[in-house]
Amino acid sequence: NAGVTQTPKFRVLKTGQSMTLLCAQDMNHEYMYWYRQDPGMGLRLIHYSVGEGTTAKGEVPDGYNVSRLKKQNFLLGLESAAPSQTSVYFCASSYWSRDRGVVGQPQHFGDGTRLSIL
Amino acid sequence: RKEVEQDPGPFNVPEGATVAFNCTYSNSASQSFFWYRQDCRKEPKLLMSVYSSGNEDGRFTAQLNRASQYISLLIRDSKLSDSATYLCVVLSGAGSYQLTFGKGTKLSVIP
Repeated sequence: NAGVTQTPKFRVLKTGQSMTLLCAQDMNHEYMYWYRQDPGMGLRLIHYSVGEGTTAKGEVPDGYNVSRLKKQNFLLGLESAAPSQTSVYFCASSYWSRDRGVVGQPQHFGDGTRLSIL
Repeated sequence: RKEVEQDPGPFNVPEGATVAFNCTYSNSASQSFFWYRQDCRKEPKLLMSVYSSGNEDGRFTAQLNRASQYISLLIRDSKLSDSATYLCVVLSGAGSYQLTFGKGTKLSVIP
């Protein structure tokens, strides 16, 4: 049981290049998320999905696109990379749980993709 | 006002000390609250949920004050392995699928 797997783990791009980050989960979770984490900014939500075939914008969606063609996979695309997109990208998956009055989603994170854009 | 605000830290404490982290949230409709832990250059991991009545998990105690929109995390008998960044996380509003993360508070436990 691998949990949440992100590929690649590291990548260096030139400005204007495109690439796709892949997130795969084997826990049959309905919800999947893409975050970016920058120094001093905390985790910020880029896009998320509440089920196969559905996606929605998060806090910082500009410059990114996503697709969820299969329940277990969530892809993040950069069509034309910019230096401002240099960051650590985390994928997460979750299920909806209700426990002792807390409605929430324990999120399981992948170990991140470190992306540098020159 | 930011949605989720935490003590900026860093907190440098000796082994065995008790340390408390505070967090405030701006959305009064927020319904669920969590503490996550993130080790250096690693992914965040759920530490504990925060229940309305407060809850304890070993050396860790979480408290929620809805009236003041305030969450706290208390760590007793600090261990070197507790060194990490602690993230306050809020699920805002009914039907929301989005968690809002605080920027985190860094804890260093010193021998």
